[in-house]
Amino acid sequence: AQSVTQPDIHITVSEGASLELRCNYSYGATPYLFWYVQSPGQGLQLLLKYFSGDTLVQGIKGFEAEFKRSQSSFNLRKPSVHWSDAAEYFCAVGPSRFGNEKLTFGTGTRLTIIP
Amino acid sequence: GAVVSQHPSRVICKSGTSVKIECRSLDFQATTMFWYRQFPKKSLMLMATSNEGSKATYEQGVEKDKFLINHASLTLSTLTVTSAHPEDSSFYICSAMPGNTIYFGEGSWLTVV
Repeated sequence: AQSVTQPDIHITVSEGASLELRCNYSYGATPYLFWYVQSPGQGLQLLLKYFSGDTLVQGIKGFEAEFKRSQSSFNLRKPSVHWSDAAEYFCAVGPSRFGNEKLTFGTGTRLTIIP
Repeated sequence: GAVVSQHPSRVICKSGTSVKIECRSLDFQATTMFWYRQFPKKSLMLMATSNEGSKATYEQGVEKDKFLINHASLTLSTLTVTSAHPEDSSFYICSAMPGNTIYFGEGSWLTVV
């Protein structure tokens, strides 16, 4: 069965500092991996996705993620966070590159930004 | 702007009553929509796949008679929580896919008192 683990429930970083959110997955086939962000009162927004090719993928809002098959990881990074990045971040894995079928989500990581 | 809209964003209902949550696709037709539920401090879990004009497909462990899904038109799917109990209090979110990208609604917070 597929699963996603986000080890960090809550992370606090200073504005301007770098960020890395961890995601580990378990999947029996080729994983299609996604990162979503949920701002307060908002729905989920896709940040980026990986399904093949270059293991370093670029997303919106200056985020990137690196797929490491040997570590079963898909960590999200940003070199310099902004106060507006405060939100809940979800890693997900699914059977389709479009993310339209039975996504399995991690439990989320809540990001707090301090001045 | 939003391409998938949910309503209401927050609802409080009494135990034993039913409550309906709507999921609308804006400016596109969605033959398939998905309903997820998020328990406190837990991940989003897929509840069911809503299919326009046919019965919804429920995930294992989800009570069909409790969570009624109706997808009567190409732009609207509804989730009705019947005979709600406090343990049904949760965050419910829908998604739809115009083209090759999935979009999520804003979610609906249900509190059963």
